[in-house]
Amino acid sequence: GQNIDQPTEMTATEGAIVQINCTYQTSGFNGLFWYQQHAGEAPTFLSYNVLDGLEEKGRFSSFLSRSKGYSYLLLKELQMKDSASYLCAVSAYGNNRLAFGKGNQVVVIP
Amino acid sequence: DTAVSQTPKYLVTQMGNDKSIKCEQNLGHDTMYWYKQDSKKFLKIMFSYNNKELIINETVPNRFSPKSPDKAHLNLHINSLELGDSAVYFCASSHQGKSYEQYFGPGTRLTVT
Repeated sequence: GQNIDQPTEMTATEGAIVQINCTYQTSGFNGLFWYQQHAGEAPTFLSYNVLDGLEEKGRFSSFLSRSKGYSYLLLKELQMKDSASYLCAVSAYGNNRLAFGKGNQVVVIP
Repeated sequence: DTAVSQTPKYLVTQMGNDKSIKCEQNLGHDTMYWYKQDSKKFLKIMFSYNNKELIINETVPNRFSPKSPDKAHLNLHINSLELGDSAVYFCASSHQGKSYEQYFGPGTRLTVT
């Protein structure tokens, strides 16, 4: 089975940097993925990590440590439109299944 | 232009009724999924089809029956609706082997009264 844990909510100021953590337990780890979900909308794919280290994509970066079962998503230069829930998901070998965490709600204030 | 579409967007119905939700994707993907997102925003996989064949069937009551007439469509039929079925149901699709990059439909908000 797979267990994924994320903190539930955080508030940050426009222009700031925020880090969203995710810890997981899974057998046959095959990747960790981040999705963004605005209120009332569908999740959209942000990034994925398969190997340890940092993946950078514009203002968003995602880090993975497989030995620690840990990932974080870093949001830089926060904008109001970044107010959303950020979902961490893991995949295991041999299946198409993505197991999602409960998501972390980020609220950006002026 | 819509990549993954679902109908209806909202569905309000009474307990005991039978209802269907339809999903279509025009991305040329071969794998499609149904997820349920409850009031606590927990997104949980229900079913997955690859080229019209069922490949994931999570522990879901057998009142829920998916049907895939072709690889671009995956419908969800629900019999004898219960209050606990109230949730947002998302359809998604991906290429096989790229299941991490799933494209989600807009969701169907089902309310059972």
